[in-house]
Amino acid sequence: NAGVTQTPKFRVLKTGQSMTLLCAQDMNHEYMYWYRQDPGMGLRLIHYSVGEGTTAKGEVPDGYNVSRLKKQNFLLGLESAAPSQTSVYFCASRTAVGTEAFFGQGTRLTVV
Amino acid sequence: AQSVAQPEDQVNVAEGNPLTVKCTYSVSGNPYLFWYVQYPNRGLQFLLKYITGDNLVKGSYGFEAEFNKSQTSFHLKKPSALVSDSALYFCAVRDWSGGGADGLTFGKGTHLIIQP
Repeated sequence: NAGVTQTPKFRVLKTGQSMTLLCAQDMNHEYMYWYRQDPGMGLRLIHYSVGEGTTAKGEVPDGYNVSRLKKQNFLLGLESAAPSQTSVYFCASRTAVGTEAFFGQGTRLTVV
Repeated sequence: AQSVAQPEDQVNVAEGNPLTVKCTYSVSGNPYLFWYVQYPNRGLQFLLKYITGDNLVKGSYGFEAEFNKSQTSFHLKKPSALVSDSALYFCAVRDWSGGGADGLTFGKGTHLIIQP
């Protein structure tokens, strides 16, 4: 059972480039989340989804877009990367009736 | 709006001694409370949660936490620390009363260092 898998694990982008981070979960979870982790700031919610075909904004959504075309996948896109988006990105998922979320291993993104 | 405060950036404890990592929270409704642990270059691992019921909850690896509604606190504890407990610990809250964005609100994290 793989749980929550994030692709890629590391990436370096130049300012202005675009990319998509993929999150895949094999636990049939309804809810999926994208967080970013910055030193001394904990994790902050970027976007989330409560089910296939639905997405919503979190605390820090600017500069990011998301899509949930399939229940098991949640994509995070950066259309024009900025140095301020240098961070570690975590995906998480949970069941609709459950409470705790399960996290992926993270994607370390550097924008130069 | 909901928030979590972890007042200590770092906690140092000698191996074998009891440890406490502090957490206070603020929600407008009713809280779900969580502790997660993060080892270097890894994702977050769930430790324990408080939903309702007994104020003392037990979790993985011998950790426990006490929910105190009047003090809005959820401190993480362990009777006897191990060097392998050294990691970054996050407290998190979710308001299950509804309204606002879904998802957890995290504290800034506390580095726990257990000295041999």
